[in-house]
Amino acid sequence: EVQLVESGGGLVKPGGSLRLSCEASGFNFNRYSMNWVRQAPGKGLEWISSITFGSSYIYYADSVRGRFSISRDNAKNSVYLQMNSLRPEDTAVYYCARDGGFFLDFWGQGTLVTVSS
Amino acid sequence: IVLTQSPLSLPVTPGEPASISCKSSLSLLHSDGNNYLEWYLQRPGQSPQLLIYLGSNRASGVSDRFSGSGSGTDFTLRISRVEAEDVGVYYCMQTVQAEAYTFGPGTKVD
Repeated sequence: EVQLVESGGGLVKPGGSLRLSCEASGFNFNRYSMNWVRQAPGKGLEWISSITFGSSYIYYADSVRGRFSISRDNAKNSVYLQMNSLRPEDTAVYYCARDGGFFLDFWGQGTLVTVSS
Repeated sequence: IVLTQSPLSLPVTPGEPASISCKSSLSLLHSDGNNYLEWYLQRPGQSPQLLIYLGSNRASGVSDRFSGSGSGTDFTLRISRVEAEDVGVYYCMQTVQAEAYTFGPGTKVD
């Protein structure tokens, strides 16, 4: 069974940093690209970053480029999102999702990040 | 690429059909012949789930009441007979631009 479990969310002050983790199980992790998608409270879904299986290609949405950094450790079946210079508008539930080939076929349960003073 | 959905709110009646439109600012038809447009359902309090990929392919385990159609810039998700479990927010998403996936604004079905 494919499982994605996010962790690392919490309350952080504006300008602060946070590192999210997503641990995968139930599939051959090093064969899949991975994505991060977020959802602000009461709002829609926003794709924010993706990383290919070998980390050769990394992409970011304009809203986070230069502040967020995605990475992965295939030996640990994990993908990470380092978030710096956080802003109140970054408050959201952050989901990791497996890329089944240009579609997101499995999603985690999400982790809540709150940016507030 | 900007995706627009209509309607943004859709009241439905169990047993009746329903449809949602998704329009793209640029063609989602790739040179490989595939339309890189997906549909997702987010039920209340849950994570999104994939319903349709490459425009018209049902994801594993998805009811055959759901179907996707369209090509280029115009796409439609149809539910043949709405059931109570279909309530939630439906999102279209484009993946033709690998460097910048985007979602539509969502359609709330209740």
